[in-house]
Amino acid sequence: GENVEQHPSTLSVQEGDSAVIKCTYSDSASNYFPWYKQELGKRPQLIIDIRSNVGEKKDQRIAVTLNKTAKHFSLHITETQPEDSAVYFCAASKGTYKYIFGTGTRLKVLA
Amino acid sequence: TAGITQAPTSQILAAGRSMTLRCTQDMRHNAMYWYRQDLGLGLRLIHYSNTAGTTGKGEVPDGYSVSRANTDDFPLTLASAVPSQTSVYFCASSAQGSNYGYTFGSGTRLTVV
Repeated sequence: GENVEQHPSTLSVQEGDSAVIKCTYSDSASNYFPWYKQELGKRPQLIIDIRSNVGEKKDQRIAVTLNKTAKHFSLHITETQPEDSAVYFCAASKGTYKYIFGTGTRLKVLA
Repeated sequence: TAGITQAPTSQILAAGRSMTLRCTQDMRHNAMYWYRQDLGLGLRLIHYSNTAGTTGKGEVPDGYSVSRANTDDFPLTLASAVPSQTSVYFCASSAQGSNYGYTFGSGTRLTVV
């Protein structure tokens, strides 16, 4: 069935370093890949997304890359700051009624 | 401010009692969703609605029901609560369904005792 695997489950980086979170999806028909950030006790919020006709998308310190052949996509955060500490969820959708969410990555940025 | 509102923020409910979690959005989004989030299990879809008047079951629908009488409101009802329904519940909406970003509500923390 449809599945999205997300790694790592936890990630600690020093402030100023880069962080990379990877997701692999199983359904080759997936064509939309959003990323959500959830701070402790808060709601998930969309931070960036990419569609299958694009290989990379950037928004300031955040970028997402997509490899359709390998069926994986990654979130890259550069120059990490303490406020980047949160749980990050990837998801994949093929335009049906729902996303398939990954299990989340807890990112800790150490000052 | 446009967005999606959930109520109540938190609730303690006795097992066997019924409860309705409210969700209202003012963005005129067609699609709405209910998720539960348990520690370590991420977000699991309970029910969804692609448009007013239609609903569907997600991954974990048992014990829950929904209705979508109009575009703005998508209440979630627990008919007879059980302790395993203790969770944080998030409502979400999307302009055109799952090929677009979701806007999440602030969540309802429900404890069934």
